[in-house]
Amino acid sequence: GAVVSQHPSRVICKSGTSVKIECRSLDFQATTMFWYRQFPKKSLMLMATSNEGSKATYEQGVEKDKFLINHASLTLSTLTVTSAHPEDSSFYICSARGAGGPVNEQFFGPGTRLTVL
Amino acid sequence: KNEVEQSPQNLTAQEGEFITINCSYSVGISALHWLQQHPGGGIVSLFMLSSGKKKHGRLIATINIQEKHSSLHITASHPRDSAVYICAVSPRREKLTFGTGTRLTIIP
Repeated sequence: GAVVSQHPSRVICKSGTSVKIECRSLDFQATTMFWYRQFPKKSLMLMATSNEGSKATYEQGVEKDKFLINHASLTLSTLTVTSAHPEDSSFYICSARGAGGPVNEQFFGPGTRLTVL
Repeated sequence: KNEVEQSPQNLTAQEGEFITINCSYSVGISALHWLQQHPGGGIVSLFMLSSGKKKHGRLIATINIQEKHSSLHITASHPRDSAVYICAVSPRREKLTFGTGTRLTIIP
């Protein structure tokens, strides 16, 4: 099956710093990538949808200036948490959908655990 | 009321038991997904189905569109099956709506 990787898998940073998380599709071209956030013992919450070469579409309540998403190529999307604060600590997961694939099919990355001190 | 409801929320069983996890949804959908999330967080897509039944190894997923209900079955359960199982639906758009998950623990 299609493989999606995320880097880093775990990051600890100080409050006020920015953190970049990468999501890569390793063996297919991802026309659409999704970024999710998951709080402990909670379900995944969609943050934004990004299509290659265009601006991301953010869900209601998600600050686009806080969570910068770039999808500059068909294999890479990045999520940058700017001026991170402890409340941004969470598990961030990306998923990707390939060109030509079923519109409902998504391949998930392994996730990135962010801890802001 | 959530659009996607799963039951049970927690399930503990002995190794070898037959496991059933249920998912009910309240909206029209084009597809339903079963996902597995292991401790440590990584998510694996188990099934995507829009009708009938699919089988992969010891895992079986069924869906009844009329009743808006799906089940995930695990035969001959094993401790490595211990994980959180998540049902997600696509309500006629590409975004997924997730259930809150079922935490399965298989005891040796």
